[in-house]
Amino acid sequence: IAGITQAPTSQILAAGRRMTLRCTQDMRHNAMYWYRQDLGLGLRLIHYSNTAGTTGKGEVPDGYSVSRANTDDFPLTLASAVPSQTSVYFCASSNNRNTDTQYFGPGTRLTVL
Amino acid sequence: QQPVQSPQAVILREGEDAVINCSSSKALYSVHWYRQKHGEAPVFLMILLKGGEQKGHEKISASFNEKKQQSSLYLTASQLSYSGTYFCGTEIYGGSQGNLIFGKGTKLSVKP
Repeated sequence: IAGITQAPTSQILAAGRRMTLRCTQDMRHNAMYWYRQDLGLGLRLIHYSNTAGTTGKGEVPDGYSVSRANTDDFPLTLASAVPSQTSVYFCASSNNRNTDTQYFGPGTRLTVL
Repeated sequence: QQPVQSPQAVILREGEDAVINCSSSKALYSVHWYRQKHGEAPVFLMILLKGGEQKGHEKISASFNEKKQQSSLYLTASQLSYSGTYFCGTEIYGGSQGNLIFGKGTKLSVKP
């Protein structure tokens, strides 16, 4: 059992380019989340999904979009990357949304130049 | 809404104890504690769901004071493996259920 996988591990991207960060879980968890982590700011929620077919906005959703076509996959897209989106991105999942343990993926380190 | 963690950093010798606090300006439904080692993903430690609840994980325990809107993490007889950054994640009453707002973290360094 892999848990949660993220791809790519790291990426350097030119400003203005489109980028999709991939996240896949094999635990059949209903809820999935995307966070960004910046030095000194902790983890901030970007978007979440309660279940396949639904998504919601977190604390810092601007400049990002997500989709949840099935239970396992929750891709995060930057339509036109900007340098302020340089960060480490973590995907997480939980069995349900009702105060449940969140399991984190290994992260994607993204640098936008 | 972001909870405040204190201290920001602490250095311990092996075997010493530490307390990490997490305080919120909002009423809390639950508090989650995570530990993150450098370059790795956060790892779940425990959830506290109601006021007065206390939980333990090895020599790490936590309490939740609902009235004071705060939680404390207690590390007893620290080991080298306890080094890392500790985050509290808070679920706020009236907020989006299941969404966690994390503190900025407390960096713990345990020296031999």
